[in-house]
Amino acid sequence: EPEVTQTPSHQVTQMGQEVILRCVPISNHLYFYWYRQILGQKVEFLVSFYNNEISEKSEIFDDQFSVERPDGSNFTLKIRSTKLEDSAMYFCASKGLAGGFYNEQFFGPGTRLTVL
Amino acid sequence: DQQVKQNSPSLSVQEGRISILNCDYTNSMFDYFLWYKKYPAEGPTFLISISSIKDKNEDGRFTVFLNKSAKHLSLHIVPSQPGDSAVYFCAASDSNGGSQGNLIFGKGTKLSVKP
Repeated sequence: EPEVTQTPSHQVTQMGQEVILRCVPISNHLYFYWYRQILGQKVEFLVSFYNNEISEKSEIFDDQFSVERPDGSNFTLKIRSTKLEDSAMYFCASKGLAGGFYNEQFFGPGTRLTVL
Repeated sequence: DQQVKQNSPSLSVQEGRISILNCDYTNSMFDYFLWYKKYPAEGPTFLISISSIKDKNEDGRFTVFLNKSAKHLSLHIVPSQPGDSAVYFCAASDSNGGSQGNLIFGKGTKLSVKP
């Protein structure tokens, strides 16, 4: 069964450093998303990406964040200068076109980011 | 501002009985609702969904009920099994305004099914 994969599973970084979180969405999917979950809190939407551009972004997704689909398979989230409060589990998700809007998103296993 | 609320952080049920997980929402523009299950150290796994034109959707042991007037939905699991023990998230989205379906999640309910 196709699945969303994410690397690394755990990333530890120093405050102020740049990190890139990587995702490989399901191959025939066209909509891509990043979410995060701070420990003990709910899963929060960060950004959606379609047709090689950002469709929507939340207040959390400020100019320290960027996304890219550098090739036909990868989807990356970059945090330019990490802060302590960026420590969270980051989930990538993708969605196919079949069924239109009313179609579930498939989530990857997540990357745990720890900022020291 | 909690647009999706799951007011019960935990629920404990005996194996074989019914589990009922509840979710309330405040945004009347939401028109698509989903339930995800999450095990520790894994990503959310899709369980079942319902669009706002329906009031019930069933898939095996899982049934989701939607009461639009009350802005309330519930997930019923019958019969509950120990493997159902996980955190269950309710999520909602709004198809209007060109949205690509970003999901707004509740805080989750941890279900424990005891043998």
